[in-house]
Amino acid sequence: DAGITQSPRHKVTETGTPVTLRCHQTENHRYMYWYRQDPGHGLRLIHYSYGVKDTDKGEVSDGYSVSRSKTEDFLLTLESATSSQTSVYFCAISGDRGYGYTFGSGTRLTVV
Amino acid sequence: DQQVKQNSPSLSVQEGRISILNCDYTNSMFDYFLWYKKYPAEGPTFLISISSIKDKNEDGRFTVFLNKSAKHLSLHIVPSQPGDSAVYFCASHFDQFYFGTGTSLTVIP
Repeated sequence: DAGITQSPRHKVTETGTPVTLRCHQTENHRYMYWYRQDPGHGLRLIHYSYGVKDTDKGEVSDGYSVSRSKTEDFLLTLESATSSQTSVYFCAISGDRGYGYTFGSGTRLTVV
Repeated sequence: DQQVKQNSPSLSVQEGRISILNCDYTNSMFDYFLWYKKYPAEGPTFLISISSIKDKNEDGRFTVFLNKSAKHLSLHIVPSQPGDSAVYFCASHFDQFYFGTGTSLTVIP
């Protein structure tokens, strides 16, 4: 295994509540990413990190924030969850910007 | 705007035959291409890659072809096996990886 875990695996939350998803890696990789997967859209980048406290936005970053206080942890926060954020969220890691990613198993989030 | 497109949402193939999955892209700056395979309730796993300076890369039963003039990428699986049944995503890299929408492959025993 590549040493990447996501928690929780499943979550149901109510509209308007804050939600935090966690990605933990044991590979000491520099780059970490958050993607969401939706039917008809494939995988879309939300935010990524290129080091501790260094983050940047992806193509679908509105409504999301991230933090990376340690190399091994990358948190994705939905400040006020909306039904449009119901999705499967994947974390990915890579040792180099241009290399392929290793993905976590995903978090299925349902906002009701 | 989708920069990477997989126009076939699904594909069914008999076991032992060839599976061909296609991917089209729009950005000529893409320099690296990958294919990922995804089983239900799991994350995507890397399958095979190709650099823009090559037109073919082979790994066992899997071969990826790149036609830069047509901005077209394809994955060939020969022979197809039931365990190959999964969703396949192509991804193209420039400043980040852009993923296609996926093609669900079913290999019929």
